[in-house]
Amino acid sequence: AQSVAQPEDQVNVAEGNPLTVKCTYSVSGNPYLFWYVQYPNRGLQFLLKYITGDNLVKGSYGFEAEFNKSQTSFHLKKPSALVSDSALYFCAVTPRRPDSSYKLIFGSGTRLLVRP
Amino acid sequence: NAGVTQTPKFQVLKTGQSMTLQCAQDMNHEYMSWYRQDPGMGLRLIHYSVGAGITDQGEVPNGYNVSRSTTEDFPLRLLSAAPSQTSVYFCASSYGKGHGYTFGSGTRLTVV
Repeated sequence: AQSVAQPEDQVNVAEGNPLTVKCTYSVSGNPYLFWYVQYPNRGLQFLLKYITGDNLVKGSYGFEAEFNKSQTSFHLKKPSALVSDSALYFCAVTPRRPDSSYKLIFGSGTRLLVRP
Repeated sequence: NAGVTQTPKFQVLKTGQSMTLQCAQDMNHEYMSWYRQDPGMGLRLIHYSVGAGITDQGEVPNGYNVSRSTTEDFPLRLLSAAPSQTSVYFCASSYGKGHGYTFGSGTRLTVV
């Protein structure tokens, strides 16, 4: 079955330190990969995506993500965390096959807490 | 502003009642979906549509119904509300697979 795993329910980091939020997936082929952020009582906001090309993709608010095909991972990173980055982060994938419908498969989410 | 509009933002229903959650987008997106968000479970797909007149079931379709008569609107109907349907519901739309989804702000539904 197709699935996305975010192994950490919560990640704690001090402001100014680098952060990593992990994501691995089990989807056949070369799926499209996404990260979304959700602030309290809000909808999800798109952060970045991997379609093809360079394994390091850059997105909004200084975030970037590293795609690793052999490990089927797509970890979210930021060199220097801000308190305002504290939110719920979701990894999502969708199969690339032309015959597959556009279903976005989500991980369970990781809560990022950046302490001052 | 262009985007996905969901109404209502909050709703309380009694068990057995029916209601419709509204979703409209003004970006001319072909793809639209409904998700529910429950603590610790991420977002689960209820129903989706790849264009006007075309809908299909997602991961958790039971108890919900959808239709897509226009490109802009994708309402979600709860046929007979149950406490297990207490959740936050998100509507989302997209141009296509490589573009990501734009999400609405959500409807928080409580069934008592």
